[in-house]
Amino acid sequence: AQSVTQLDSHVSVSEGTPVLLRCNYSSSYSPSLFWYVQHPNKGLQLLLKYTSAATLVKGINGFEAEFKKSETSFHLTKPSAHMSDAAEYFCVVSRDNQGGKLIFGQGTELSVKP
Amino acid sequence: DAGITQSPRYKITETGRQVTLMCHQTWSHSYMFWYRQDLGHGLRLIYYSAAADITDKGEVPDGYVVSRSKTENFPLTLESATRSQTSVYFCASSGGGAYSYEQYFGPGTRLTVT
Repeated sequence: AQSVTQLDSHVSVSEGTPVLLRCNYSSSYSPSLFWYVQHPNKGLQLLLKYTSAATLVKGINGFEAEFKKSETSFHLTKPSAHMSDAAEYFCVVSRDNQGGKLIFGQGTELSVKP
Repeated sequence: DAGITQSPRYKITETGRQVTLMCHQTWSHSYMFWYRQDLGHGLRLIYYSAAADITDKGEVPDGYVVSRSKTENFPLTLESATRSQTSVYFCASSGGGAYSYEQYFGPGTRLTVT
């Protein structure tokens, strides 16, 4: 069975400092992994995806994530936080062989202090 | 070039009423999904569809009905609304295919059942 765990429900950083949002997954197959962002009162937007190509994935707005099979992790990072990064972030794994269905983590709320 | 749209964006209805939430996508994606988002539960899959006339239940289908007569539309009906169905509803679509299951989300419908 597949699952995804976001290790922090809330992360607070200062503007200009690095961001680290942690995600662990379990999957019996080689998974597809995603990070989505949701700004307040908005829909979810795809930040980046891993689909068994390069293990370091670059996304939009300066975010990137590294797939580490040995650690079953897919942490999201950004070198320097911006105020506009304040949002909810979801780590997502595809369900094995189930036609596009996804499993969402519980979300991590990122706050950015000036 | 609207992508994926939902209507209405906001709806207030009374317990026992029938309500239909509309979802329309312009990409001709095969897969479409309905989620609800509630505090403390993240996103939960209600129903999904792999193609026109093919639908299947997700995690929380009770009280909901879907249909998909055309590829681009995927309406969600609450047959007799209950207060527990107060939520934000998101529609999503995906082109599907191996290792490429990213989903694209609509802006959401905020439903309040009084």
